[in-house]
Amino acid sequence: DGGITQSPKYLFRKEGQNVTLSCEQNLNHDAMYWYRQDPGQGLRLIYYSQIVNDFQKGDIAEGYSVSREKKESFPLTVTSAQKNPTAFYLCASSIGTYQETQYFGPGTRLLVL
Amino acid sequence: AQSVTQLGSHVSVSEGALVLLRCNYSSSVPPYLFWYVQYPNQGLQLLLKYTSAATLVKGINGFEAEFKKSETSFHLTKPSAHMSDAAEYFCAVRGSQGNLIFGKGTKLSVKP
Repeated sequence: DGGITQSPKYLFRKEGQNVTLSCEQNLNHDAMYWYRQDPGQGLRLIYYSQIVNDFQKGDIAEGYSVSREKKESFPLTVTSAQKNPTAFYLCASSIGTYQETQYFGPGTRLLVL
Repeated sequence: AQSVTQLGSHVSVSEGALVLLRCNYSSSVPPYLFWYVQYPNQGLQLLLKYTSAATLVKGINGFEAEFKKSETSFHLTKPSAHMSDAAEYFCAVRGSQGNLIFGKGTKLSVKP
């Protein structure tokens, strides 16, 4: 089955620690996205990538970093500079054209110890 | 710039009643509009999308939405609510970089 996988489902971060969230897709999509979801705020864009080895900052990129070394993978690192990381993180992908649908993974919930 | 406003953070209906979830958009270019549904602790699932074809769009699970340019609206409706429709619903417009710009969501409760 084609789809998007995110791991882990739950992730705990200690003070000062960097953590990495995994996102993998086997849909052969060019574009991938990371969103952060907080209660009552909808989803906000962190980073996106339209092609391998290229990515762009979204609206709330501070304290996060990404890489896109392979078409199917788009990991997100939450760095210690992100002071309020507790949220639900969603990865998405799309074929790449403007009107095409974005497909979402099941999400990772990040909690701070 | 594009933006989306969803009116009503919570909507409650009785089972069998009409569901109406409101979405207004702002876009400087012809918009591409989407409705997604999210069940607790899960990702988002596409309900339907408008991409400048028919103004009345039919989606999954009996939902539909009508694009009204004069009102800059894209409201989501379902004639008869079912208990399984209880979830959070997000309206979104495609941004200039291909990303989605989301509204803040509407939680739908369905009373027996």
